[in-house]
Amino acid sequence: SYVLTQPPSVSVAPGQTARITCEGSNIGSESVHWYHQKPGQAPVLVVYDDSDRPSGIPERFSGSKSGNTAILTISRVEAGDEADYYCQVWDSSSDHWVFGGGTKLTVL
Amino acid sequence: EVQLVESGGGLVQPGGSLRLSCTASGFTFSNYEMNWVRQAPGKGLEWVSLIGIGGSYIYYAESVKGRFTISRDNANNSLYLQMSSLRAEDTAVYYCARGADCTGGSCYSTYFDYWGQGTLVTVSS
Repeated sequence: SYVLTQPPSVSVAPGQTARITCEGSNIGSESVHWYHQKPGQAPVLVVYDDSDRPSGIPERFSGSKSGNTAILTISRVEAGDEADYYCQVWDSSSDHWVFGGGTKLTVL
Repeated sequence: EVQLVESGGGLVQPGGSLRLSCTASGFTFSNYEMNWVRQAPGKGLEWVSLIGIGGSYIYYAESVKGRFTISRDNANNSLYLQMSSLRAEDTAVYYCARGADCTGGSCYSTYFDYWGQGTLVTVSS
């Protein structure tokens, strides 16, 4: 089955830039979506189709891809950005949605 | 305002059954794919199932195939998940999530833009 690999944790100081990666064997040809989830809350879409932002999501959140890796970049990190972040793709070979294992962003 | 409200969670014994519901409002429910996603305590997100706009296509994660059944009632803006032969590892918060917009017959915006608040299913004796 298709696997998306994320680092378990990323730490960054306030005001710095956080980069969260998502690696998958075929990710270059799939649209990647990103969600954040704060404790006790439902996930929230923060980037869709690799690099687009839903309305209401700050411009500090951006997405990109390079080869088999998708990257969520959070600029000028704030304490409120502390959350778990998940990437997601549609695996067309199995007709399954796949989530990465999640990355816990800690703001130091 | 788009809203998704899950219900039906609770405590059930191993081998038992449970039916989850998700009531939608604020959008044309019949135009959207719908999904169930679950999250075991302290774990990540796991996609469970997807149903097409008229129920014409349905997909399941391997972990639930043959035990869970997804369905929808477009007249009542409702999504369901019938769960049977429940196991301890099915213990999780279950979320319904809006998927692709299939207005006009072609599906686009294939991501989960709205989620419910979740309902907890606990499988334990």
